[in-house]
Amino acid sequence: GAVVSQHPSWVICKSGTSVKIECRSLDFQATTMFWYRQFPKQSLMLMATSNEGSKATYEQGVEKDKFLINHASLTLSTLTVTSAHPEDSSFYICSARGLAANSYEQYFGPGTRLTVT
Amino acid sequence: AQSVAQPEDQVNVAEGNPLTVKCTYSVSGNPYLFWYVQYPNRGLQFLLKYITGDNLVKGSYGFEAEFNKSQTSFHLKKPSALVSDSALYFCAVRDGTGFQKLVFGTGTRLLVSP
Repeated sequence: GAVVSQHPSWVICKSGTSVKIECRSLDFQATTMFWYRQFPKQSLMLMATSNEGSKATYEQGVEKDKFLINHASLTLSTLTVTSAHPEDSSFYICSARGLAANSYEQYFGPGTRLTVT
Repeated sequence: AQSVAQPEDQVNVAEGNPLTVKCTYSVSGNPYLFWYVQYPNRGLQFLLKYITGDNLVKGSYGFEAEFNKSQTSFHLKKPSALVSDSALYFCAVRDGTGFQKLVFGTGTRLLVSP
């Protein structure tokens, strides 16, 4: 159980276009989802936290108008990279935490590799 | 603020030998500590967690971790390494405020040689 999927697994887009990445919790309901960014050989950097039905909370230094996050249901959150530039190329990983009050664990998706040309 | 430190960028060990991947933490209050593993181009997989209770925590794939309060450490261990254990390992601590987000260490690459 506790499976999180991401789609697409990899995407190549042209500079200036927008890309949407989906994160789904397949067998549980997730009140909270987290979006991370990972550069090669580096740790995960938390970009934002999203709660179902409310606005996302962005970490300091992350442009909320560039990285649009929507958490429309208890099983789906989306990250849209708007007007993408080559420096946005990275590995994006989402994670989800369940409804239970003692949900200490986060379950991670397999990641999406974005390449902006 | 909660934080964890992984002092080693890489750990090399021969197959069959015991392995240790180090992690120290800095928290206010009780620490909720985690270990995750990441294989190339994949997301993170949960290995184990310490919330409370026994200081020796057993997890997936034969891994275990020892919580040491006096040394503020949470080292990951395995008695006998496998080549397939080669991966990137992250220690994390849960932030006790707000959304209870995980704060990750910088990661340690484990290389197990045949």
